[in-house]
Amino acid sequence: TQLLEQSPQFLSIQEGENLTVYCNSSSVFSSLQWYRQEPGEGPVLLVTVVTGGEVKKLKRLTFQFGDARKDSSLHITAAQPGDTGLYLCAGARGSNYKLTFGKGTLLTVNP
Amino acid sequence: EAEVAQSPRYKITEKSQAVAFWCDPISGHATLYWYRQILGQGPELLVQFQDESVVDDSQLPKDRFSAERLKGVDSTLKIQPAELGDSAMYLCASSLGQVFLTDPDTEAFFGQGTRLTVV
Repeated sequence: TQLLEQSPQFLSIQEGENLTVYCNSSSVFSSLQWYRQEPGEGPVLLVTVVTGGEVKKLKRLTFQFGDARKDSSLHITAAQPGDTGLYLCAGARGSNYKLTFGKGTLLTVNP
Repeated sequence: EAEVAQSPRYKITEKSQAVAFWCDPISGHATLYWYRQILGQGPELLVQFQDESVVDDSQLPKDRFSAERLKGVDSTLKIQPAELGDSAMYLCASSLGQVFLTDPDTEAFFGQGTRLTVV
C-alpha cells in the first residue's frame, strides 16, 4: 500500500497551459516536501510545507498543504518546457522523521 | 554551495558480484538516507541513519544489503551478491535531522545518485 498517492501519474501539456498535480494520503504528516527530478539526476527540493492550510508560492509554482496535513497540491501557471520533469512529494512523519515518497507525476511540457 | 557527493556515478557489475556505493553528506547533517529508485517510480527508503546509528532499515534486504556510517559522517552501501533485480538508481540524501527539532530540518538534499546495472 502506497502511503502517498500522487495523481496524475503522467501529464503532457502545451507550453502556456496551467496544471495542478496532487499528493494524497490517509496519514497525517509533520511536514510535506515537493521535489523535481530530471532524468539521471537526484531530486531537487522545491518547497517544504509544515502548517495545515499553508500556501507557498515559488515564481509560477503554488503549493498548498491541506488543512488536515494529509494532502497537498502543486499548481503551475503558464507552464514552460523547462518545467518538464518528475514531480515528487515526500512526507515526514514519526519520531525519526522518516521521509516517504510518492511515485511521482511525470510532467512533459511541449513547446 | 554544499552538496551531497556520491560515487561512482555509474556502475555495471555481473550478477553474484559484490558492489559498493559511497556517500558524503553535507557537513553538519546528522541524518543520512539511502534510497533506491526504479525507473519511473519514486525513491524507496532503504536505510536511515541518525549520526552513526541506524534508525530505520525495515525495507533493507538484509540478506544481501548492508550499510554503515561508522563515524557518523560518510556512508557506504554494499550489495553482495548482486542480482539482476538490483538494477536501479541508488540515491543518498542528508538533512539536518532532529538537531533543532524543527520541521524544516527534515528537508533532504540529494546527491546525483549511482546508476547500477547488473548484467
